[in-house]
Amino acid sequence: AQTVTQSQPEMSVQEAETVTLSCTYDTSENNYYLFWYKQPPSRQMILVIRQEAYKQQNATENRFSVNFQKAAKSFSLKISDSQLGDTAMYFCAFMKPYSGGGADGLTFGKGTHLIIQP
Amino acid sequence: ETGVTQSPTHLIKTRGQQVTLRCSSQSGHNTVSWYQQALGQGPQFIFQYYREEENGRGNFPPRFSGLQFPNYSSELNVNALELDDSALYLCASSPGRSLYVEQYFGPGTRLTVT
Repeated sequence: AQTVTQSQPEMSVQEAETVTLSCTYDTSENNYYLFWYKQPPSRQMILVIRQEAYKQQNATENRFSVNFQKAAKSFSLKISDSQLGDTAMYFCAFMKPYSGGGADGLTFGKGTHLIIQP
Repeated sequence: ETGVTQSPTHLIKTRGQQVTLRCSSQSGHNTVSWYQQALGQGPQFIFQYYREEENGRGNFPPRFSGLQFPNYSSELNVNALELDDSALYLCASSPGRSLYVEQYFGPGTRLTVT
């Protein structure tokens, strides 16, 4: 079974600053996917960024980038030029690729509440 | 294109009762997954349906059951409700099964069991 750990329950930064959210995971799989999801007060989970484990290059989506360290099983999210609209819960998640058997779904961490101060 | 919708938004039930939650998949999606998110926790995978058949299940008891209909909408049924079933229930649809397909989440149903 996979586990995902987010050790920062809450973080607060000023608008325009850069913030890094931490995530570690444990798995015996070699091929998998890692995700960061954002859950604003509206409750709807929004995919922020995805990383395939077989890709060495770190994923980037505009102001969002990851630092993927496969050997260390670490997957941090960096948000540059933070904006008030970035205030939300952020969840790190793991998923095995579908292999023809039953799906396992996403395994989520407990989340980090990120607050962007004006 | 219509996104994933869920109904009702909020629901209050009494311990021992049964509840049905509904999810309408995004257009063109034939796979739906259900998650339970307790307060202060990340979502936990309940099960997935693909083309009307259960296609994987998490660590939830049999009193959690589901259905997927020919139009790929879905229901989550919970029997003999317990206080610990109080949570946000999220459904997510995706366009089939592959090595990877993105899951699109609905806004959830908040269930309170008293």
